[in-house]
Amino acid sequence: DIQMTQSPSSLSASVGDRVTITCRASQTISSYLNWYQQKPGKAPKLLIYAASSLQGGVPSKFSGSGSGTDFTLTISSLQPEDFATYYCQQSYSTSWTFGQGTKVEIK
Amino acid sequence: QVQLQQWGAGLLKPSETLSLTCAVYGGSFSGYYWSWVRQPPGKGLEWIGEINHSGSTNYNPSLKSRVTISVDTSKNQFSLKLNSVTAADTAVYYCARGVFQLVSRLFWFDPWGQGTLVTVSS
Repeated sequence: DIQMTQSPSSLSASVGDRVTITCRASQTISSYLNWYQQKPGKAPKLLIYAASSLQGGVPSKFSGSGSGTDFTLTISSLQPEDFATYYCQQSYSTSWTFGQGTKVEIK
Repeated sequence: QVQLQQWGAGLLKPSETLSLTCAVYGGSFSGYYWSWVRQPPGKGLEWIGEINHSGSTNYNPSLKSRVTISVDTSKNQFSLKLNSVTAADTAVYYCARGVFQLVSRLFWFDPWGQGTLVTVSS
């Protein structure tokens, strides 16, 4: 299986901050990388697919970049509704695997 | 707007079989991979397996010996069975639609069901 490692595991940030989350794959996965947002007690929600393509209806403050083994999710200006846990997921090969998650908390 | 609604038993004893069903409303059932993902309390996401409308399946190797995913196309439903459960199988179980683009080979999960907490305890 392809292992996905996110960093940091958690971070504290203020409203208006620019936040960057990193995801690293254990082998090259081209651009087969998705990002999800999960709020407490809710199902994950797709934010970005193919490393940098924004899912319909997702605000443009979210952006993704990277290819190969290293990827980033950036939130340009953190808002109260963005405090959540974010997961990356590789879609290069079955079985699909997720990162361990990055919890974004209010400072 | 596709919606997934899932249900099943929430409390099991060790060695019993977990059984969940997910119904798909408002969209096509064919052309997708219907998946199950679980999340132990306070932990991350683990893909369990998937099935397409033809009944072709893929399973997580770590769970393959205990998992069966089936499909009922007449009802637009798919189901998960996990046998011989232990406390380690306690988790919120989600169903999700796997979207696969044939030309680009891109794949993602969207949307997801509401989740079902399954607790295994004697």
